[in-house]
Amino acid sequence: AQKITQTQPGMFVQEKEAVTLDCTYDTSDPSYGLFWYKQPSSGEMIFLIYQGSYDQQNATEGRYSLNFQKARKSANLVISASQLGDSAMYFCAMREGVNGANSKLTFGKGITLSVRP
Amino acid sequence: EAQVTQNPRYLITVTGKKLTVTCSQNMNHEYMSWYRQDPGLGLRQIYYSMNVEVTDKGDVPEGYKVSRKEKRNFPLILESPSPNQTSLYFCASSRLTDTQYFGPGTRLTVL
Repeated sequence: AQKITQTQPGMFVQEKEAVTLDCTYDTSDPSYGLFWYKQPSSGEMIFLIYQGSYDQQNATEGRYSLNFQKARKSANLVISASQLGDSAMYFCAMREGVNGANSKLTFGKGITLSVRP
Repeated sequence: EAQVTQNPRYLITVTGKKLTVTCSQNMNHEYMSWYRQDPGLGLRQIYYSMNVEVTDKGDVPEGYKVSRKEKRNFPLILESPSPNQTSLYFCASSRLTDTQYFGPGTRLTVL
């Protein structure tokens, strides 16, 4: 079974509107972390936001927020007030274990977001 | 400036010609890792290192080697590259359980 699932096809959003990018995960580990990364066309991986499994509140970083629903095992990224520069591929990733032997990130397949002017 | 650097950024080579992709970080991170990115597959871990002289296989280690002789460096070695190793490669580093920061990527083509 996939550990990180991103099933949305390419997403489109109008500039200045909000958009939600879906991510569901699968783990039996009670301690884990969820990450979102942005990959623009230039190719680099840019860290956006982090949510720990024990965090009581949803993470926020500027225009990014994470809608964390633990019971549903979902960690959707919300981008508010979209900008043209938000057009990119977005990856959801998970790290399992607090002091795991391997801090490996397991990635989803990514979602392409296009912001329309 | 805190960063992860990779070299080269682009490389075209031929089957069987040994190559090394270097990775260096200046943040004194214990953990370093190599990933490859292929269309439709996301990123997959090749090898990782928890500290100097401590390395282990990730999900797709076949055809790759690594070493960690210094904390800041974690080179990826392809002893005999094959076309199926054509990919975008990323090095990442972090403190053991913190956010991983990625290098700019190395686009490798093996003919």
